[in-house]
Formats: sequence, structure tokens, C-alpha cells
Amino acid sequence: AQKVTQAQTEISVVEKEDVTLDCVYETRDTTYYLFWYKQPPSGELVFLIRRNSFDEQNEISGRYSWNFQKSTSSFNFTITASQVVDSAVYFCALRGPGTASKLTFGTGTRLQVTL
Amino acid sequence: NAGVTQTPKFQVLKTGQSMTLQCAQDMNHEYMSWYRQDPGMGLRLIHYSVGAGITDQGEVPNGYNVSRSTTEDFPLRLLSAAPSQTSVYFCASMTGGLGETQYFGPGTRLLVL
Repeated sequence: AQKVTQAQTEISVVEKEDVTLDCVYETRDTTYYLFWYKQPPSGELVFLIRRNSFDEQNEISGRYSWNFQKSTSSFNFTITASQVVDSAVYFCALRGPGTASKLTFGTGTRLQVTL
Repeated sequence: NAGVTQTPKFQVLKTGQSMTLQCAQDMNHEYMSWYRQDPGMGLRLIHYSVGAGITDQGEVPNGYNVSRSTTEDFPLRLLSAAPSQTSVYFCASMTGGLGETQYFGPGTRLLVL
């Protein structure tokens, strides 16, 4: 069975602070895929990143960076110099190897960035 | 491309009523799915389809019915609405390849009284 844990229910930071959102996953598959989605107050789900289990390279995209560590089954997401527009709920998700594998979501972390 | 579209955006139902949530995609994606989002529970898979004519149950299928007569459309039917089905419903689609990314529609907010 697959499981994704986002232990941080809510995080509050002041603009320009760095913030890390934690994601820990469980799976028996050796091939799997990890995702992060953003859900802003408007409600839509916006895809941020996909990472394959066989690619442990960290990734940076502007102020966003992701740290994937198979040894600790974690796929953490860091926002550098946070901005008010980063305020949203962030979901980590896991998908198995099959074409019909379902996407298992964590419960989400609500990030509030204030001035 | 319009991507994944969902109608209606918001709906109020009375207990026992039936309705269909519409989902369409214009990306020729083989895989489509329905999720519900409830507070503190993330998104849970209701039903999914790997192609026209093929559907299967997800994690929480009870009370819902789906069909996939075309590649583009994947409607979700509530047979007899219950207050427990009050939720936000998301439709998603993706190509059929391994590890592909699912893209989500804007969601339908459903309130069952």
C-alpha cells in the first residue's frame, strides 16, 4: 500500500523567509513517481514538479527547489524568499509504476505568507 | 487547448437527488479520473478510466457511477445524493505512459442538504 505523509498541517511565515514543506512517503514499489501540486485560494490544482524514483537529482526552478532522498523516503519542497503569492495549500503525491496506478495524495500543508 | 473542463462549478442538491458532474478534455488523453477533496483528507480517487469503454473503481467508489463512451468525456453520476457526498470534485487526465503527470480540472463544489 502507498502512503504519503505531510506532517505539517499549517505553516506561517513572513515574506522573504525561506520555508521547507516536508513530504515522507511509503511504497513497496522500486519504481515510482513523486509529485508536488499547489492549490491557491482560487481552488485549482497546479502541477509543480514530477520526480522519478531512479533520479535522485535535486531540482531548482527559480525560488523553488526540491530535495529527493530515497534513503529517508522524503521529497521535501523549499521556497526561498517566500512571497505572498506563495500562500496556498501544497500537496505531495505518489504514483506507482503501472499505467493505471492511482495517485496517492498527502493531506496537504497550508502555507500562509504574510507581509 | 482548453485542457480539462468541468461543469458545473457549484451545485446544491437535496438528499436523494441525482445529478451528473461533467468532465471533458481536449488533449486526447487516455487516462481520466475523478477525485474528491475533503478537509484534512487530501484527494481520494473515486473512479478512473484507462481508455474509452474501460472504467474501474478507486478508493471511494460507493454512491458514484461512471462511464467512458468517448476519449474526451468522463461524467460522474451521483445516483442518490447524501450529505456525506458534500465535497469538492476534481477530474483529471493524463496520457497513458508510465509516470505521466495528471492535469486537473478547476473542480466542482457540491453541497448536499
